[in-house]
Amino acid sequence: AQSVTQPDIHITVSEGASLELRCNYSYGATPYLFWYVQSPGQGLQLLLKYFSGDTLVQGIKGFEAEFKRSQSSFNLRKPSVHWSDAAEYFCAVANTNAGKSTFGDGTTLTVKP
Amino acid sequence: DAGVIQSPRHEVTEMGQEVTLRCKPISGHNSLFWYRQTMMRGLELLIYFNNNVPIDDSGMPEDRFSAKMPNASFSTLKIQPSEPRDSAVYFCASSLAGTSGEQFFGPGTRLTVL
Repeated sequence: AQSVTQPDIHITVSEGASLELRCNYSYGATPYLFWYVQSPGQGLQLLLKYFSGDTLVQGIKGFEAEFKRSQSSFNLRKPSVHWSDAAEYFCAVANTNAGKSTFGDGTTLTVKP
Repeated sequence: DAGVIQSPRHEVTEMGQEVTLRCKPISGHNSLFWYRQTMMRGLELLIYFNNNVPIDDSGMPEDRFSAKMPNASFSTLKIQPSEPRDSAVYFCASSLAGTSGEQFFGPGTRLTVL
């Protein structure tokens, strides 16, 4: 069965600092991996996705993520955080045959001025 | 493209009343998902449909919850009777099965049961 672990429930960074959110997955085949962001009062929005090719993927809002098969990880990074990045971030792995995704429990990002 | 549409956006009801949440998926998508999100339990998958057929309803909390998808462009989630512990934000999402599996989420319905 597929699963996703986001070890950090809550992270606080200063505006302008770099950010890394961790994600570990368990999946029997080549995974389809996603990062979603949820701003307060809104639905989830896709940041980026990986399913083949270059293991470093670029997303919207200056985010990137690196797929590391040996570590079963798909960590999200941003070199310089903006106050508007404060939100909850979800990592997910997809079973593409069913179109169903398994989501992690989310990491809440707080940005200090 | 209008995205996934949910209605109502907010619903306040009294315990024991019937509540119906509605969802219109993105045109052409063949998978539809209902999620519930609370502070205590996070994001929970309640049920999902593929080609209008319920595939997995193991996340539906109890018999008070039911979901239907009469056609490819409409789904409902019904709670009857509602209870205060059902208060949550309910999200609908759709995707195209057989592709990358990216899900598109609606804005959610915030349900408050008094």
